[in-house]
Amino acid sequence: KQEVTQIPAALSVPEGENLVLNCSFTDSAIYNLQWFRQDPGKGLTSLLLIQSSQREQTSGRLNASLDKSSGRSTLYIAASQPGDSATYLCAVHAGGTSYGKLTFGQGTILTVHP
Amino acid sequence: EADIYQTPRYLVIGTGKKITLECSQTMGHDKMYWYQQDPGMELHLIHYSYGVNSTEKGDLSSESTVSRIRTEHFPLTLESARPSHTSQYLCASSEFANYGYTFGSGTRLTVV
Repeated sequence: KQEVTQIPAALSVPEGENLVLNCSFTDSAIYNLQWFRQDPGKGLTSLLLIQSSQREQTSGRLNASLDKSSGRSTLYIAASQPGDSATYLCAVHAGGTSYGKLTFGQGTILTVHP
Repeated sequence: EADIYQTPRYLVIGTGKKITLECSQTMGHDKMYWYQQDPGMELHLIHYSYGVNSTEKGDLSSESTVSRIRTEHFPLTLESARPSHTSQYLCASSEFANYGYTFGSGTRLTVV
């Protein structure tokens, strides 16, 4: 059974810092991995999607990497801003009999203070 | 602007009541999903559908039921709500099974 773990559980940083969020998964047989952002009281917003054959994806100040063999992904946020404050969720698209379903981590709660 | 809509956003009801959480999408996606998220916990898939008249149970056992009579509509029903059903319920849809998920804003359910 796939399990996804995110560390740290919470992170508080001053504005302008570069930061790294970590995600690990137990079963390397994945189709792809996705990073989401969740704001309080709202749904999920997709940030980056990395296919299993890719090593990284970039969007603006965000960069996500994937090491499928070791079961790890990182989300790098450059020059953090207060507007980046949210919960960041990592999710893997499983393969095999779980085709098409997402397995989520518990998330990292990020607070960026001015 | 959202292409997937969930109503109500918040719901407080008494034990034993029957409730239906609505989810509709305007993107024509065949695949739709219901996830349950307890406070501070990860999302768990409770139901999914790959098309009209197709519904399956997800990884997390749930007493809720779903139906898919129309492509755009995927309602979730609890026949008799209990305090243990208190949670946030998120609906999602996707064009493909492996990517392109769009999530709704969720329904926060409290059963008293």
